[in-house]
Amino acid sequence: EAGVTQFPSHSVIEKGQTVTLRCDPISGHDNLYWYRRVMGKEIKFLLHFVKESKQDESGMPNNRFLAERTGGTYSTLKVQPAELEDSGVYFCASSQLGQGRTGELFFGEGSRLTVL
Amino acid sequence: LAKTTQPISMDSYEGQEVNITCSHNNIATNDYITWYQQFPSQGPRFIIQGYKTKVTNEVASLFIPADRKSSTLSLPRVSLSDTAVYYCLVGVIGGYNKLIFGAGTRLAVHP
Repeated sequence: EAGVTQFPSHSVIEKGQTVTLRCDPISGHDNLYWYRRVMGKEIKFLLHFVKESKQDESGMPNNRFLAERTGGTYSTLKVQPAELEDSGVYFCASSQLGQGRTGELFFGEGSRLTVL
Repeated sequence: LAKTTQPISMDSYEGQEVNITCSHNNIATNDYITWYQQFPSQGPRFIIQGYKTKVTNEVASLFIPADRKSSTLSLPRVSLSDTAVYYCLVGVIGGYNKLIFGAGTRLAVHP
């Protein structure tokens, strides 16, 4: 079974440009999360989808970040316009919904964003 | 979610047992304790989870005392490939798992 896949693995853009990161969760996982680690800091929660609905977006830093999950399948995270402080690694994770689950999150390998 | 405290780093040698202790003094009744492992350039990976006493799987053991204010991740006979960052997380499991990561413990295994 395929794991969580993220694309691109690394993106280098200039300040002011737009970047879109994509995440394909494990098939059948209704929960989808975005996290990020900026340089030297801890991994921080950004937002959580349950199917196509945003359950919690309290971690989104500002309105330059837009996350979508069309049809409850893959998700995109767009940064527009990108700023220098947006540089870091963006992780996507997915998990199954419902009682009795272990609560295990399955993470992708991350998308590294470098803003110059 | 309960805050956790772990050592920033640890060093060990191949073949030794490694114990990483995590403090979570404000753990709530419904909270579980979960450990994740992260290798460079990869996302975190679930290792083990428990509520109380002892849990063991093919990778590690997790010891939780009766008061649940701390927990210890035990890695038996570590190898070089166990060099990674280990995160202790505490929270309610079930449908929604908003994990709060701390700084983790950077384990370095030496030959």
